[in-house]
Amino acid sequence: DARVTQTPRHKVTEMGQEVTMRCQPILGHNTVFWYRQTMMQGLELLAYFRNRAPLDDSGMPKDRFSAEMPDATLATLKIQPSEPRDSAVYFCASGLVWSSDFQETQYFGPGTRLLVL
Amino acid sequence: KNEVEQSPQNLTAQEGEFITINCSYSVGISALHWLQQHPGGGIVSLFMLSSGKKKHGRLIATINIQEKHSSLHITASHPRDSAVYICAVADEKLTFGTGTRLTIIP
Repeated sequence: DARVTQTPRHKVTEMGQEVTMRCQPILGHNTVFWYRQTMMQGLELLAYFRNRAPLDDSGMPKDRFSAEMPDATLATLKIQPSEPRDSAVYFCASGLVWSSDFQETQYFGPGTRLLVL
Repeated sequence: KNEVEQSPQNLTAQEGEFITINCSYSVGISALHWLQQHPGGGIVSLFMLSSGKKKHGRLIATINIQEKHSSLHITASHPRDSAVYICAVADEKLTFGTGTRLTIIP
């Protein structure tokens, strides 16, 4: 049963620390998405990759967030330095797209619940 | 920027009732997604629509491109359908609605 995995599932850290979240997409999927969910803003798209290349990261605060795909089986989202307002659930999703952006079924990971004190 | 509105925000119904959740948006799109978020937080993609209607089990999703409106229907609702239902619209970006919290009472 193929699924997207994310680690860690929970992270508590202090303001100013670096946070790294990892995602393993479903094997064979060519698109990976990073989302953030907060009570105030709901779900927001932070960034996404196709065939490991970043297509759009305009949803991310550029000064502190970075997203990469070092290989087809791993996507990372880093926050440095972290701030209390970054506290949220971060979801990764993967999909297989043949034509237009966002016209694919996305499979979501379980999320990383981040709390920055 | 696409403005996405869902209604109702909260919905409580008795088991067996027919449920309708609505999603409207302001700018033309290429696709619309319906997602289900379980009480534990997990998110499942239910439908991706670009036109017409799709059905999966007791769930039916419709979209009217001209009216910029989509509906998600649940027939013979069950307590396990209790979740937050979120629509997301795709144009140049993916924009999410704020969700509809559905509670089905046995």
